[in-house]
Amino acid sequence: GESVGLHLPTLSVQEGDNSIINCAYSNSASDYFIWYKQESGKGPQFIIDIRSNMDKRQGQRVTVLLNKTVKHLSLQIAATQPGDSAVYFCAENGDFGNEKLTFGTGTRLTIIP
Amino acid sequence: GAGVSQSPRYKVAKRGQDVALRCDPISGHVSLFWYQQALGQGPEFLTYFQNEAQLDKSGLPSDRFFAERPEGSVSTLKIQRTQQEDSAVYLCASSLNSGGAARAQYFGPGTRLTVL
Repeated sequence: GESVGLHLPTLSVQEGDNSIINCAYSNSASDYFIWYKQESGKGPQFIIDIRSNMDKRQGQRVTVLLNKTVKHLSLQIAATQPGDSAVYFCAENGDFGNEKLTFGTGTRLTIIP
Repeated sequence: GAGVSQSPRYKVAKRGQDVALRCDPISGHVSLFWYQQALGQGPEFLTYFQNEAQLDKSGLPSDRFFAERPEGSVSTLKIQRTQQEDSAVYLCASSLNSGGAARAQYFGPGTRLTVL
């Protein structure tokens, strides 16, 4: 069936460096994507979203890139900080009129001091 | 303003017991969602409401799972005759959306259910 997945399950990055977390999706009808951050014992926290009519969107220290040709999504975090350590999920929606999200399995990001 | 709240935060049930999990969405949010998250996995969709209408319940694992949102605000997820495989974190989310294209969903802290 259609799914959203991640290339790398774990990622370790030096504090201050930039992080890139990748996500592949298989539903070509997907037109809305969200990145969430989840810390241990907490619910997913919204980071940034993007619609399929865009290929890039920037927030505070984060950038999401969407490549519809290869069905690939990435989250870039600039100047990573210890507080960025968490599991990151991409999620997608591909059914207009049905708002449910399909999540990937997540990437654990560890910031090395 | 206040975010999504869920209660209880932790629930331990003996196999066969019924449980009820509560979700208070962000005030004014039209859509409300329930997801189940197994350990080490991403959230899996269970069901969602637009106001009091349950628009999709395709993710509910069995007829032991039931959700309601009678007044279009607070929602309750009920699990009857709990089984060990029901052990998971149950997440509630809400969004401003009133139909059409999906929008950002904001999650509560979840209820961790352990069935012994």
